[in-house]
Amino acid sequence: NAGVMQNPRHLVRRRGQEARLRCSPMKGHSHVYWYRQLPEEGLKFMVYLQKENIIDESGMPKERFSAEFPKEGPSILRIQQVVRGDSAAYFCASSPIPLRQGAIQLFFGSGTQLSVL
Amino acid sequence: DQQVKQNSPSLSVQEGRISILNCDYTNSMFDYFLWYKKYPAEGPTFLISISSIKDKNEDGRFTVFLNKSAKHLSLHIVPSQPGDSAVYFCAAKTDSWGKLQFGAGTQVVVTP
Repeated sequence: NAGVMQNPRHLVRRRGQEARLRCSPMKGHSHVYWYRQLPEEGLKFMVYLQKENIIDESGMPKERFSAEFPKEGPSILRIQQVVRGDSAAYFCASSPIPLRQGAIQLFFGSGTQLSVL
Repeated sequence: DQQVKQNSPSLSVQEGRISILNCDYTNSMFDYFLWYKKYPAEGPTFLISISSIKDKNEDGRFTVFLNKSAKHLSLHIVPSQPGDSAVYFCAAKTDSWGKLQFGAGTQVVVTP
């Protein structure tokens, strides 16, 4: 049973370009969470999605960031017009049921390291 | 608003000794607390959890203690091994949240 798969592992973008980060949850998991880890900081929640729905986007910056989890295919975190401050490790996690309905833990992918030049 | 705090950014311990990692929280509605371990260039992996109705949970070398009145939990690793060198994150959730909130992490270095 494959774990949470994220790609690419490393992504380099120049300022102003777009970054697309992909996440395939574990088999049987329909709940996806994106977290960001800035240098020397902890994991910060960004967004929680269920298939075709955004459930909680309270941690997403108001501009340039968007996320989706279509019926078919991986979840995508999209950052438009990247700036140097977007450089961070972006982690995706999944769960089979919502945390609020009894899931105890999240299963994390290996992350995508975004570097903005 | 940082509701989960790990005030020690780093900890160095000798192999074979006990590692004690601390975590404080402010939200009395948290119903579950978790510890995750993270190696460089890898994602966090779940280590151990504790329900808010318990005060202790043990799994092999790892024990988590919860003191609700002090809003404090700790992770004990006994005995510490070189493979335990990693960043440890404390996390918490409420039964109404759809997410985990993480502390800033503690870097543990186990020396021979």
